[in-house]
Amino acid sequence: DGGITQSPKYLFRKEGQNVTLSCEQNLNHDAMYWYRQDPGQGLRLIYYSQIVNDFQKGDIAEGYSVSREKKESFPLTVTSAQKNPTAFYLCASSILAGGSHGEQFFGPGTRLTVL
Amino acid sequence: SQQGEEDPQALSIQEGENATMNCSYKTSINNLQWYRQNSGRGLVHLILIRSNEREKHSGRLRVTLDTSKKSSSLLITASRAADTASYFCATDVGGGFKTIFGAGTRLFVKA
Repeated sequence: DGGITQSPKYLFRKEGQNVTLSCEQNLNHDAMYWYRQDPGQGLRLIYYSQIVNDFQKGDIAEGYSVSREKKESFPLTVTSAQKNPTAFYLCASSILAGGSHGEQFFGPGTRLTVL
Repeated sequence: SQQGEEDPQALSIQEGENATMNCSYKTSINNLQWYRQNSGRGLVHLILIRSNEREKHSGRLRVTLDTSKKSSSLLITASRAADTASYFCATDVGGGFKTIFGAGTRLFVKA
């Protein structure tokens, strides 16, 4: 089955710890994205990547880091510098065509809670 | 501030009724998309309308786009209880590599 997966589904972190959220896609998409969603809110872009070994900051990149070593993988690390990391994290991917992206395919999300 | 803002924030209707949600945005766009999110899940793409299109249909969904008013609407006809979800508009802006999501409309369809 083609799709985009995220793990774990739930993650608990103690203050001061770094944690890494996994995102994998087998859709052969060039572009991948990380979003944060807070209760009752829309999605805010953390980082995005259009190609392997390249990524750009989104609107709320502070306290987060990413890597794109393989086309199918785009892990997100939530560092201890992120002051309020408790949120629902969504990964997405899309085809890039003509300098624009269209439909984004989303993973099921990871709910991160800081204890 | 949000590029896309949905209205209303919440909507409760009876099964069989139509549901209309609106989205307003601030800057020029390449395209506008509507997504659906069931509680605690990822988003699912519903429909994309390009800036040079005015109306698009997909099954029970009808989307309109008015670029002069910088607004779009999503109509769900003959709603079902299974349509209960949050609906987000998303705009593809300047350069096309960034999509901005609104805060969403929460639709509740009563059986």
